[in-house]
Amino acid sequence: QSALTQPRSVSGSPGQSVTVSCTGTSSDVGGYNYVSWYQHHPGKAPKLMIYDVTKRPSGVPDRFSGSKSGNTASLTISGLQAEDEADYYCCSYAGTYTWVIFGGGTKLTVL
Amino acid sequence: QVQLQESGPGLVKPSETLSLICTVSGGSITSYFWTWIRQSPGKGLEWIGYNYYSGSTNYNPSLKSRVTISVDTSKNQFSLKLSSVTAADTAVYYCARGFSSGLTVDFWGQGTLVTVSS
Repeated sequence: QSALTQPRSVSGSPGQSVTVSCTGTSSDVGGYNYVSWYQHHPGKAPKLMIYDVTKRPSGVPDRFSGSKSGNTASLTISGLQAEDEADYYCCSYAGTYTWVIFGGGTKLTVL
Repeated sequence: QVQLQESGPGLVKPSETLSLICTVSGGSITSYFWTWIRQSPGKGLEWIGYNYYSGSTNYNPSLKSRVTISVDTSKNQFSLKLSSVTAADTAVYYCARGFSSGLTVDFWGQGTLVTVSS
């Protein structure tokens, strides 16, 4: 199973909104509502930001939101802040054989 | 707050077995899906597998023949063993806690770099 497709990089200015896409197939993203998003500051433990496509864990700001349309899931960050600069990875359930697969990661730069 | 910490050798010789331990603090290891994930240099994340605390396991099909994940509830630790390693197994290895049938991980360790080289 191939990795999910994410843009290598996105950028935005403080206060703006950015969206990171995650494209898969009907066998993973499009077939199930089990997409999660992780924020990773290099050298630190990755952090769960969104799970089950749209759910936010306790403590994650509501500036972070998730959605899905067809085979593409999206993470939107509104009101960009400097501390949002990080790598973001999507992850999707891909069936009982493969289980889960990740995207290649997107580097978010806050200008 | 649950915290996880990986430990183990940073250098493993080709054909040998990679062994890592993850120590869980701030919470019990009973329940949840104790998971290993890795990231090879310059590449994305790869799910290795999990062990549900009761002993049932689920492994990445591409690694299944070489992987064993075990849980030691008495020590609040779980471990990863990957046999017959090659340079392709060089990666940062993360331990993590999974929920929702192991489909999502909510807490991760910081990761440990393991290099396979003679």
